[in-house]
Amino acid sequence: RKEVEQDPGPFNVPEGATVAFNCTYSNSASQSFFWYRQDCRKEPKLLMSVYSSGNEDGRFTAQLNRASQYISLLIRDSKLSDSATYLCVVNTGTASKLTFGTGTRLQVTL
Amino acid sequence: NAGVTQTPKFRILKIGQSMTLQCTQDMNHNYMYWYRQDPGMGLKLIYYSVGAGITDKGEVPNGYNVSRSTTEDFPLRLELAAPSQTSVYFCASRDFGTGDQPQHFGDGTRLSIL
Repeated sequence: RKEVEQDPGPFNVPEGATVAFNCTYSNSASQSFFWYRQDCRKEPKLLMSVYSSGNEDGRFTAQLNRASQYISLLIRDSKLSDSATYLCVVNTGTASKLTFGTGTRLQVTL
Repeated sequence: NAGVTQTPKFRILKIGQSMTLQCTQDMNHNYMYWYRQDPGMGLKLIYYSVGAGITDKGEVPNGYNVSRSTTEDFPLRLELAAPSQTSVYFCASRDFGTGDQPQHFGDGTRLSIL
C-alpha cells in the first residue's frame, strides 16, 4: 500500500462547479497534513495546511479524519485558474520529512 | 525575496558524467531537502539535512551525494550519471519549529541523461 494515495484524475469540471478530492495515508503516526498545488512543470506551492477541526481559505475547504486516515479538499466555484495538480502531503515526523501523493489533476473548462 | 534558488534550470548530461546541482536559500532555514519527480509521479525524497554538517538519506539516495557546509547551501552531487536519473529535481527548505510549517521549494532543475 502506498503511504499516500490519491485518485490521479483528471477531474474535468466546468467553471463554477464544486469539486472534491480525497486522499488516504497509511502511517497512523503522521503528524501534519497539507495540500500543495503544482502547475505544469513548476514547483509545488503550499495551498493550505489541514487541521482536524477542518479549515477554510476562501473557496477552499480542507478536512482531516485521523480515525479513517483520510484527508479531503473541497473547491467551490471553480475558476479556470484552479486548473493544476493537487498534491496531498503528509509530514511523517522525523525532520519534518514530507511524503507526497502522486497528485490529482484538475482541469476547469469554460 | 529570493527564497530557494536552484541552478542550473536545465542540463543535459551524457551517461557516466558527473555534475552538482546547486541549491541555496536566504531564509536562514535549518532544514533542507532534495526531491526528484519523475513524470506523472509524486516527489520522492533523496536526501535531507537538519542543519549545517548534518545530512541523512531519504527514500531514494542511491547514485547521489550531498553536503551541508553552511546553513544556506545544500548541493546535490551525481557522480556517475545514469538514464534512470533523468528527472526534475527540487530543493526545499523549512524553518525549525512545529511540524505544520510548510516547505518552500525552488523552481527545479530539469536534468536529462542521454
